[in-house]
Amino acid sequence: RKEVEQDPGPFNVPEGATVAFNCTYSNSASQSFFWYRQDCRKEPKLLMSVYSSGNEDGRFTAQLNRASQYISLLIRDSKLSDSATYLCVVKQGGSTLGRLYFGRGTQLTVWP
Amino acid sequence: GAVVSQHPSRVICKSGTSVKIECRSLDFQATTMFWYRQFPKQSLMLMATSNEGSKATYEQGVEKDKFLINHASLTLSTLTVTSAHPEDSSFYICSARDWGRGDEKLFFGSGTQLSVL
Repeated sequence: RKEVEQDPGPFNVPEGATVAFNCTYSNSASQSFFWYRQDCRKEPKLLMSVYSSGNEDGRFTAQLNRASQYISLLIRDSKLSDSATYLCVVKQGGSTLGRLYFGRGTQLTVWP
Repeated sequence: GAVVSQHPSRVICKSGTSVKIECRSLDFQATTMFWYRQFPKQSLMLMATSNEGSKATYEQGVEKDKFLINHASLTLSTLTVTSAHPEDSSFYICSARDWGRGDEKLFFGSGTQLSVL
């Protein structure tokens, strides 16, 4: 079983739509959780960390359910510039020794 | 913010040749850097952890004699793909941890697209 599982999509939505991505992780001892954004053939860039209480950054809302080992990302009022692949990332282990596990990504295309 | 510079961005080479990829942390010291490989529509897979002044730690299934890693300074790690073959064609990305701002942040290089003919 993979460490991090994501629906690869693609998700094709019109501008202004709300879209949600889901992610599950297999190791209950995972400590930190992130969403990264990756444009085609570019490096991943941190979108936001995910906290247990849920957190919001503008149009983006992230949720974590440790009991279900489930992470979500909600994008409201989608923009054309949101088109990218969104990577769910889980960190296992302590601060200096921890390693990251990446999901395969969910592809989003926002059309005008 | 902290920047990680990776070069070259794209390499096309003949089968059997060796290719060196450089990863530099530009405004912070990185005792640890990471090398990933990403095939099309797949997730980033960690290949190895590069430690300054010591041997790299390779993930299971990654041949250390084929993917040579050198981390001779606090700002530079190199990955050399030796005797490259077409199946080595992939997107290679490095990353480095920056602890200088009180919490850990991970920064990625811009990646190297390797095509082996």
